[in-house]
Amino acid sequence: DQQVKQNSPSLSVQEGRISILNCDYTNSMFDYFLWYKKYPAEGPTFLISISSIKDKNEDGRFTVFLNKSAKHLSLHIVPSQPGDSAVYFCAATGVRMDSSYKLIFGSGTRLLVRP
Amino acid sequence: DAGVTQSPTHLIKTRGQHVTLRCSPISGHKSVSWYQQVLGQGPQFIFQYYEKEERGRGNFPDRFSARQFPNYSSELNVNALLLGDSALYLCASSPDANYGYTFGSGTRLTVV
Repeated sequence: DQQVKQNSPSLSVQEGRISILNCDYTNSMFDYFLWYKKYPAEGPTFLISISSIKDKNEDGRFTVFLNKSAKHLSLHIVPSQPGDSAVYFCAATGVRMDSSYKLIFGSGTRLLVRP
Repeated sequence: DAGVTQSPTHLIKTRGQHVTLRCSPISGHKSVSWYQQVLGQGPQFIFQYYEKEERGRGNFPDRFSARQFPNYSSELNVNALLLGDSALYLCASSPDANYGYTFGSGTRLTVV
């Protein structure tokens, strides 16, 4: 039962253009969402997050949008740079689910930014 | 500042063996979580510990166990290894039992 889904395993964009990575979730109890970036041989690195009480959060070139009614979130990277090439994971959590702050991850989207 | 340190970085074990993976959190972080990442999938939650007590456990068999020590470091133990246990095991620490995780680089376990 995949509660967090990233349906696009890969995405290729030209340097300078916008990258849009998508994520869908099924559990309405999720109240916090995070994006992580992962390079080979490294652990995931936190990128940006959003609370369920917001619909947008921006940090520099990165913006996350949340559509609660559609149970959908997206990460926008503008402008995309070759150094952004990595695997991006969407994750969700909800303290109401249990006493832990476990993250439920999607399967990831591999982004390639072409020079 | 040192980040989350995991050891060993790579490990090869035979089916049926036991393995212990170790994690040192960032100084001052009291919570440690363990995740398993199988190739082609996202990380999957195994355990969270906070102040040496288990706060949560994922859907893993009893062959998986963990503990947290007074210095907040942690061990993940896996008994009776199966081929399917081959994965990248990630440790993450946070100051408190909250979302502010910092991940280590992981231990790559191969079971043959």
